[in-house]
Amino acid sequence: KNQVEQSPQSLIILEGKNCTLQCNYTVSPFSNLRWYKQDTGRGPVSLTIMTFSENTKSNGRYTATLDADTKQSSLHITASQLSDSASYICVVSPSYGGATNKLIFGTGTLLAVQP
Amino acid sequence: NAGVTQTPKFRILKIGQSMTLQCTQDMNHNYMYWYRQDPGMGLKLIYYSVGAGITDKGEVPNGYNVSRSTTEDFPLRLELAAPSQTSVYFCASSYRDRGTDTQYFGPGTRLTVL
Repeated sequence: KNQVEQSPQSLIILEGKNCTLQCNYTVSPFSNLRWYKQDTGRGPVSLTIMTFSENTKSNGRYTATLDADTKQSSLHITASQLSDSASYICVVSPSYGGATNKLIFGTGTLLAVQP
Repeated sequence: NAGVTQTPKFRILKIGQSMTLQCTQDMNHNYMYWYRQDPGMGLKLIYYSVGAGITDKGEVPNGYNVSRSTTEDFPLRLELAAPSQTSVYFCASSYRDRGTDTQYFGPGTRLTVL
């Protein structure tokens, strides 16, 4: 069964510190892997999209890495800010699915950045 | 651009009532989607549309209906509300471009069925 699992479930860090969130997936074959940020009470917002052939993708202080061999991805946040407090969702797009975009969503890591 | 807008933001329904969740996008996107997000679960696809007049079922379509008469609008209809439909509903849209299309999400509708 295609699954996307994230760890940790929740994380508390101090402002200015770095952190790394993990994503393991069993989706195969897959087209691309995405990381979304979801603020409380808001819809998810795309941070990065990586195809199966890419190893890393950055968006400001966010850097995503992908190891297609081990089926693992990580999201590294540098110099965290209070505004980084949110849920971070790993999403995998299977390479099958025809003309649709049937994404498989992880349950997210809830990050709290404290002053 | 306003992006993807959804109304209402919140709604409480009684069992058996019906309602329509509205979704509009102004980005001229071909693809539109409806998801539900339950606590502690990943988003699940309810219905999607690849263009005006074309809709198809997602992973959890039971109890819902959709229509797509225009490019901009993609309403979701609940005919006989049940407590199992208590959830947060997100509408999203994308312009398919070589398979790595970004999905843009609306702010969500929080629905409670009592």
